[in-house]
Amino acid sequence: EIVLTQSPATLSLSPGERATLSCRASQSVRNYLGWYQQVPGQAPRLLIYDTSNRATGIPARFSGSGSGTDFTLTISSLEPEDFAVYYCQQRSAWPLTFGGGTKVEIK
Amino acid sequence: QVQLVESGGGVVQPGRALRLSCAASGFTFSSYAMHWVRQAPGKGLEWVAIVSINGKDNHFAESVKGRFTIYRENFKNTFYLQMDNLRIEDTAVYYCVRGSDSGGYWGDYWGQGTLVTVSS
Repeated sequence: EIVLTQSPATLSLSPGERATLSCRASQSVRNYLGWYQQVPGQAPRLLIYDTSNRATGIPARFSGSGSGTDFTLTISSLEPEDFAVYYCQQRSAWPLTFGGGTKVEIK
Repeated sequence: QVQLVESGGGVVQPGRALRLSCAASGFTFSSYAMHWVRQAPGKGLEWVAIVSINGKDNHFAESVKGRFTIYRENFKNTFYLQMDNLRIEDTAVYYCVRGSDSGGYWGDYWGQGTLVTVSS
């Protein structure tokens, strides 16, 4: 199965700063990579699918890029509600898999 | 609006079985693939299984293959996860998830989850 490795495990930033999260795949997933946000105590929310497409209702400050094995989620300017855990997921091959997550915390 | 409501969670002994249900509303259920995703306490997300629109093309995580079955009843707007031979490591919150329009691979709506605890 395809293993997704996210880094860093924790990112400590202040509101208004730029966040850059990484997801690396053990083999090429082409552009079939997505991102989710999970606020503590809540269900996850789809942010980005197929590398760079924002899901319905997702603000423009969230953007995705990459291809093959290396992908990035960028939050251009952190809002208070963006402090959460972020997961990447691939849909290139069965079984679908998630990365281990990156926690974005307030510095 | 889209709603997904899980039920059937609880405490069960290792080796026993449990069936989870997910009741869907607010969309044309028969037009969407559906998933189960789980999250062990304090851990990350783990994809478990997908049931296709017609229920005939399903896939499973390696960790549950051969023990879990997924199926759906479109006339009831409900799908299920039959979990047999449960292990302690199956302890988790189980989310039911709608597959998105773009092929059904992405989870665009999530339920609030139901907790399954496997313990002797």
